[in-house]
Amino acid sequence: DVKVTQSSRYLVKRTGEKVFLECVQDMDHENMFWYRQDPGLGLRLIYFSYDVKMKEKGDIPEGYSVSREKKERFSLILESASTNQTSMYLCASTTAQGSNSPLHFGNGTRLTVT
Amino acid sequence: GNSVTQMEGPVTLSEEAFLTINCTYTATGYPSLFWYVQYPGEGLQLLLKATKADDKGSNKGFEATYRKETTSFHLEKGSVQVSDSAVYFCALSVGGSTLGRLYFGRGTQLTVWP
Repeated sequence: DVKVTQSSRYLVKRTGEKVFLECVQDMDHENMFWYRQDPGLGLRLIYFSYDVKMKEKGDIPEGYSVSREKKERFSLILESASTNQTSMYLCASTTAQGSNSPLHFGNGTRLTVT
Repeated sequence: GNSVTQMEGPVTLSEEAFLTINCTYTATGYPSLFWYVQYPGEGLQLLLKATKADDKGSNKGFEATYRKETTSFHLEKGSVQVSDSAVYFCALSVGGSTLGRLYFGRGTQLTVWP
């Protein structure tokens, strides 16, 4: 089974801190994604990557950046955390084999910014 | 553009009741359609999918039929169980430059009472 592992289940950070959320997948997937999940808004795409060192902006990239130095790892970076970035963050991966390949999700990181 | 609209929750049912969660979509090109489920404290997992018109996806007693004429992919189950309590997300994927990316609905919370 595919495993997508997010390094932390819960994080509490202060406003202005630089925050790193880490995600690792073990199935050699080319595509990786970062979503945030908020009540009533569903999942919104922040960034995604189709290959090492490649990144694409999603729908809400402002205040975030990403890093993909190795195929299995995709990091989300909050350059200067703000309270409106308090949310559940979900990482996902999939193969590059067409549009009907399902996403495999990690269990999420619940981030609180105070 | 690409978007998914699903019925708002929460939905509350008694065990063994019939479930329908409506989902409609707009898409450029020919999308693949998915239902994902999120159990409490977990990430999303694929429930079922359909990749072309008139396909029926099914899993764990849930079904959904890809209706191109009505741009719909409604989720149904004939007899729900307490263990089906979760949040359900309808999603679509298209090819091209957004290969692998999913567009999600806002999610529908289902609670089943014994």
